[in-house]
Amino acid sequence: GDSVTQMEGPVTLSEEAFLTINCTYTATGYPSLFWYVQYPGEGLQLLLKATKADDKGSNKGFEATYRKETTSFHLEKGSVQVSDSAVYFCALRGFGNEKLTFGTGTRLTIIP
Amino acid sequence: GAVVSQHPSWVICKSGTSVKIECRSLDFQATTMFWYRQFPKQSLMLMATSNEGSKATYEQGVEKDKFLINHASLTLSTLTVTSAHPEDSSFYICSASFSAGELFFGEGSRLTVL
Repeated sequence: GDSVTQMEGPVTLSEEAFLTINCTYTATGYPSLFWYVQYPGEGLQLLLKATKADDKGSNKGFEATYRKETTSFHLEKGSVQVSDSAVYFCALRGFGNEKLTFGTGTRLTIIP
Repeated sequence: GAVVSQHPSWVICKSGTSVKIECRSLDFQATTMFWYRQFPKQSLMLMATSNEGSKATYEQGVEKDKFLINHASLTLSTLTVTSAHPEDSSFYICSASFSAGELFFGEGSRLTVL
């Protein structure tokens, strides 16, 4: 079945550091890939998505590229801020399927 | 963006009692709602999918008689944990979508069974 393997946390970085959170997946066919973010006390919010190979999703300075050859969708940001502190979830959705399969989540803490 | 609200956000109950958690879509009609369970430091586990007006579809290993899901209207789904026990303590999250579009998530409900 479908699965998502996500970099384990927690991750602690200084403000303005470069961020990478690794995500790889296993799926049949051509899934859509997502990054969700959960800020303290809030529900999950869609951060970015990509629906086909080589697509790049981007939002709020975050980027992730759908790499079919390496089955990866790593999340990156060039310069993190304290307000980026949250839990980040990588997820996939199989073609024609409404269900999301999530990774374990990575807690990110940014220190001023 | 669309808002999905869960209530209560935190509930404590005694073992053997039943607890109901509500999930409401506040500004759109949710044709499909999903219920997830999240254990500490673990991923969200899909429990069931519910479509308005029909019976929920449960994932393998989820007891349908234990976790009763009702999706009576296009804006409300409820999860009832029947005869709760300490092992049912967890974080329950719902999500909702309209016509297989984007999923919107509630804030989650933390259940603690004493």
